[in-house]
This record gives sequence, structure tokens and C-alpha cells, in this order.
Amino acid sequence: RKEVEQDPGPFNVPEGATVAFNCTYSNSASQSFFWYRQDCRKEPKLLMSVYSSGNEDGRFTAQLNRASQYISLLIRDSKLSDSATYLCVVNDPADSSYKLIFGSGTRLLVRP
Amino acid sequence: ETGVTQTPRHLVMGMTNKKSLKCEQHLGHNAMYWYKQSAKKPLELMFVYNFKEQTENNSVPSRFSPECPNSSHLFLHLHTLQPEDSALYLCASSQIDRNYGYTFGSGTRLTVV
Repeated sequence: RKEVEQDPGPFNVPEGATVAFNCTYSNSASQSFFWYRQDCRKEPKLLMSVYSSGNEDGRFTAQLNRASQYISLLIRDSKLSDSATYLCVVNDPADSSYKLIFGSGTRLLVRP
Repeated sequence: ETGVTQTPRHLVMGMTNKKSLKCEQHLGHNAMYWYKQSAKKPLELMFVYNFKEQTENNSVPSRFSPECPNSSHLFLHLHTLQPEDSALYLCASSQIDRNYGYTFGSGTRLTVV
């Protein structure tokens, strides 16, 4: 089983749609969770951290379900500029050097 | 300069060449990382340095040799690479006593011919 699993997509949605991505992680002791965004041929950039109580940043909402070891990202009112690959990231709790484990990413295509 | 800077942005090298990738972070972080990203594949961790000490070498072939002279600079020395080593090489930094995630450089796109 992969440490961090994501649906690779692509998710192809019209502008203005709401889209949700899911991610599962294997180690229940993980404590830090993030969503990163990676544009084509660019570096990953931190989109948002994910907190236990859930958190929102504008059109983006992240949720964490520790019992199910499940993380989600909801994007409302999709824009063309949201087209990218979204990476689910968790920390490796067994590693004191603060190693992060990256999922393979979910590709989002927003069409006009 | 701010953030994490990597040079060169693009590199084409022959299999017998020796080259080095450079990374510099201006964030005061205490950990630095090298990642490899091949086409349509996830990020692969190569090396981790905490406080200039290498703490992880993820079974990387010896033709890749990292160097961390101080907590702000990281190098990846390359020699006798193979065409399958062509990839995007990303440097990242973090503060290991904070859980703010990694900051990545813009990467070096390497092509081995």
C-alpha cells in the first residue's frame, strides 16, 4: 500500500464548478498535513496546511479525518487558473528530520 | 534574493560529463533536501540534510553526490549519468522544529544525452 494515495485524475470541470479531491495516508501517527499545487514543469508550491478542525482559504477548503486517515480538498467556483496538479502531503512520523511524503498528485483541468 | 534559488534552470550534459547543481536558501531554514521528479512520476526523495549533516540517502546511485557546506547551500554533483537520470531536480528547505512544510526552488531540468 502506498504511503499517500490520490486519484490521479484528470478531473475535467467547467469554470465555476465545485470539485473535490481525496487522499488517504497509511500511517496513523502522521501529524502534519498539506496540500501543494504544482503547475506544469514548475516546482510544487504550498497551497494550504490542513488542520484537524478543517480550514478554509478563500475558495479552498481542506478537511482532515484522522479516524479514516483521509484528507480532502474542495475548490469552489473553479477558475481556469486552478488547472494544475494537486499534491497531498503528510509527514513521516518515524523520521525526526521532518521528512514529508508526497502523493502522486491529482490533475485538475478547468475548461472555459 | 528570497526563498530558494536553484541554478542552472536547464542543463544538458553528456554521459561522461561532470556537472554540479546549486541550491541556496534565504529563509534561515535548518534542513535542505534534494528531490527527483521524472515525467509523470511522483517526487522521489534523494537526500536530506539537517544542520549540514546528511541524515538520509535514499538508495541513490553513487553517480549523484551531495554536498552541504553550510545550512544555506546545497550542491548535487553529477558524474557519468545515464539517460534515465533525465528529470527535474528540485531542492527544498524547511525548518524542522516548525511544521510549515517545505519551500521548493524552481528546479533544474536536466537532460542527459
